[in-house]
Amino acid sequence: DAGVIQSPRHEVTEMGQEVTLRCKPISGHNSLFWYRQTMMRGLELLIYFNNNVPIDDSGMPEDRFSAKMPNASFSTLKIQPSEPRDSAVYFCASKRQGAFGNTIYFGEGSWLTVV
Amino acid sequence: GNSVTQMEGPVTLSEEAFLTINCTYTATGYPSLFWYVQYPGEGLQLLLKATKADDKGSNKGFEATYRKETTSFHLEKGSVQVSDSAVYFCALLYGNNRLAFGKGNQVVVIP
Repeated sequence: DAGVIQSPRHEVTEMGQEVTLRCKPISGHNSLFWYRQTMMRGLELLIYFNNNVPIDDSGMPEDRFSAKMPNASFSTLKIQPSEPRDSAVYFCASKRQGAFGNTIYFGEGSWLTVV
Repeated sequence: GNSVTQMEGPVTLSEEAFLTINCTYTATGYPSLFWYVQYPGEGLQLLLKATKADDKGSNKGFEATYRKETTSFHLEKGSVQVSDSAVYFCALLYGNNRLAFGKGNQVVVIP
């Protein structure tokens, strides 16, 4: 079975440019999460969706960040404009909502460097 | 609140040695507990999990037991290999959708 699929795996961009990260959750999973990993702050939840609806975006750092989930099989995380401090690994994850204790599965991550 | 504490610092050990990584948690209610592993340059992979007290999760020779009385979920492996070198994260799932992660422990296994 395919896991959570993210693209791009690696991106290097210049400050001020727009960055779009993409995610395809595991088929049948109806909760989707975006996490950010940095050395300083570890793993942080940015936003999560249930049934394509954003439930909690309190972890989104600022207005430069936005996330969408137009359908059950696709989500994007956009940074506009990007800044060097946005350099991090961005993980998408998914879960089957409703069953107690169900596991959250992570993608391979998008490794972003903003120069 | 809900939080996870992992022992400080990297862990360096020789091949075939016994590995223990301590994890304790604070939680309201009855969380599920997980260990995730991150190999160099890769994403987070589920290693094992336990959903209720006294459950033992196991995978690839690793084990962890959900101990409610000591609020712990320590990870153990009897004989590590070089290929086990990675960062290990303890996590708890609460509110059905929120994961609280520990800071992670880098494990380096020397041949």
